[in-house]
Amino acid sequence: AQSVAQPEDQVNVAEGNPLTVKCTYSVSGNPYLFWYVQYPNRGLQFLLKYITGDNLVKGSYGFEAEFNKSQTSFHLKKPSALVSDSALYFCAVRDTGTGGFKTIFGAGTRLFVKA
Amino acid sequence: GAVVSQHPSWVICKSGTSVKIECRSLDFQATTMFWYRQFPKQSLMLMATSNEGSKATYEQGVEKDKFLINHASLTLSTLTVTSAHPEDSSFYICSAQNVRSGTGIGNTIYFGEGSWLTVV
Repeated sequence: AQSVAQPEDQVNVAEGNPLTVKCTYSVSGNPYLFWYVQYPNRGLQFLLKYITGDNLVKGSYGFEAEFNKSQTSFHLKKPSALVSDSALYFCAVRDTGTGGFKTIFGAGTRLFVKA
Repeated sequence: GAVVSQHPSWVICKSGTSVKIECRSLDFQATTMFWYRQFPKQSLMLMATSNEGSKATYEQGVEKDKFLINHASLTLSTLTVTSAHPEDSSFYICSAQNVRSGTGIGNTIYFGEGSWLTVV
C-alpha cells in the first residue's frame, strides 16, 4: 500500500546551520514526490518535486531534496537555515503504479529555527 | 488521531452539471480549511482558504463563481464545481486546521483523502 512517513514531529536547528527534514515512502510503482511548506494560517506552498531525472532536486527558498530509491527516501535539506524557515513541512507521494492519482501526505514536521 | 474525511472519493459527472465535494473534520473543530487541486505530475495548487462563517479567500486565477466554497460549520466545508467541464477534471484535496492547536507553526493540519473528479 502507498504510504509516506515523516519520522520527526519536530526539528530544531540554529540559524546558519544546515537542516534536514526526513521523509520515507512506500509505493508499488514509481513515485512522484513533493515537498510543501505551510506558514501559520496559510495554505500549502510548493517547494519542489521529483518526477524523474536527477536525483537531486532544487526548489524554492534555497531548499533541495535528494531522491534515494534504494532507501525509499526523499529528505529535504538546506545548507544554512534561516529563522524565517520556521514552519510546517509536508512530504507527499503519488504512486504511479496503481493507475490512480491519489496523493498521500505525511503527518508534517515542525521546523523551529532559533536565532 | 484527528481525521479529515472527503466525500465522495470518486465522482463522474456530465459536462454542464454541478458537483459538490464535502470536507469534514471528524473529531476536531476547524475554523480554517484549505482547498487544493492537483493535475497529473503537478504539485498541489491552492484554490482557496475557507473560513467558518465568512466568505472564502480565493487565490489569484481561481474563478469564484465556478468553484463555490461554503464553510457553514466548524466541521464542514464544501466545494461545489458549477457547470463542470472536462478541463475541471482533477484531484481535489482539502486540509483542515485544528483550532485548539493555535495558529503558530505548532498548529496541526490534517489532510483529507482527496476526491477525484472526472467530467465527461
